[in-house]
Amino acid sequence: DARVTQTPRHKVTEMGQEVTMRCQPILGHNTVFWYRQTMMQGLELLAYFRNRAPLDDSGMPKDRFSAEMPDATLATLKIQPSEPRDSAVYFCASRPPAWGAKDTEAFFGQGTRLTVV
Amino acid sequence: GIQVEQSPPDLILQEGANSTLRCNFSDSVNNLQWFHQNPWGQLINLFYIPSGTKQNGRLSATTVATERYSLLYISSSQTTDSGVYFCAPARGTGFQKLVFGTGTRLLVSP
Repeated sequence: DARVTQTPRHKVTEMGQEVTMRCQPILGHNTVFWYRQTMMQGLELLAYFRNRAPLDDSGMPKDRFSAEMPDATLATLKIQPSEPRDSAVYFCASRPPAWGAKDTEAFFGQGTRLTVV
Repeated sequence: GIQVEQSPPDLILQEGANSTLRCNFSDSVNNLQWFHQNPWGQLINLFYIPSGTKQNGRLSATTVATERYSLLYISSSQTTDSGVYFCAPARGTGFQKLVFGTGTRLLVSP
């Protein structure tokens, strides 16, 4: 059963610590998204990659957040240093290659619930 | 970017009732997905529907891209339908990023 896998599922950390969240996209998917969900802002896009290259990270606070795809099977989202306002659920999603003008369906992982105290 | 409005924001139904959820968007789109976020927080794909009508069991969806709206129909609702329903349209081709609405929170009571 193909699925997007995110680790860890839950993370509690102290303010100032580094946090790394990992995502394994579905095999063969070449587009990876990072979203953040909070009560106040809802689901907002942080960054996304196509064929491991970053396409848009305008939604991400650059001073403390970084997103990378070291290889096609792993995407990472790092926060350094973490702050209480970073507490949220972070979702990763992946999508197979588009063909022609027809786009494809995105699938979401189960999320990482981050609490910064 | 695209603005997405979903209505109603909250909905309470008795089990067995039918409902229609609406999603309005501000610009032309090439892609639109409906998701159900269950009480455990998981985002479940319901429909990929940039245009036309699709049905899956008790659920169906219609997107009229030229008029910039999409509808999700839930018939004979069940308590397991409870959760938040999101629509997420996207523009462009090939590099589309989904923009999420604020969702419709549905509670189905027995």
